[in-house]
Amino acid sequence: AQKITQTQPGMFVQEKEAVTLDCTYDTSDQSYGLFWYKQPSSGEMIFLIYQGSYDEQNATEGRYSLNFQKARKSANLVISASQLGDSAMYFCAMREGTNAGKSTFGDGTTLTVKP
Amino acid sequence: DGGITQSPKYLFRKEGQNVTLSCEQNLNHDAMYWYRQDPGQGLRLIYYSQIVNDFQKGDIAEGYSVSREKKESFPLTVTSAQKNPTAFYLCASSAVQSYNSPLHFGNGTRLTVT
Repeated sequence: AQKITQTQPGMFVQEKEAVTLDCTYDTSDQSYGLFWYKQPSSGEMIFLIYQGSYDEQNATEGRYSLNFQKARKSANLVISASQLGDSAMYFCAMREGTNAGKSTFGDGTTLTVKP
Repeated sequence: DGGITQSPKYLFRKEGQNVTLSCEQNLNHDAMYWYRQDPGQGLRLIYYSQIVNDFQKGDIAEGYSVSREKKESFPLTVTSAQKNPTAFYLCASSAVQSYNSPLHFGNGTRLTVT
């Protein structure tokens, strides 16, 4: 079974609006971390936000927030006030405590911000 | 500024040749990783190293080899045994090999084998 599932291959959002990118995960570990990365067309991967399995509050970093629903095993990324520079591919990833050397990545969501 | 340097950015090789991709970090991170990305897909782990002189195979290690002789350096060799080597290769590091430690990536090397 896929450990990380991103069901939206592509998403469009109007500039200045908010957008939610979906991510569900599968693990039997108690200790795990969930990450979101941004990959612009230039190719580099940029770390955006982290949520730990024991964190009770949703993580926030500037315009990025993570909607963490542990019981549903979902970790959706919310980008507020979208900007043209947010157009990129976004990857959800997980590191498990029992196998921390191996980060597992989803297939990504391509976000296009329209002016 | 601290970061990860991958070189070269583009690499072209003939089939049957081995090729080595460079990865250097000055973040003082213990753990380093190599990933492969194919068009429109996520990242797949090739090799990872928690400390100097130690490394483990990832999910797609066949046809690849690595070394970790220095903390700062983790070169990847794509051998002629790798059946489909054309891909985008990303090197990453993390402060420690722990579930709460994010990955920091280099800018990648795009390898084309013809």
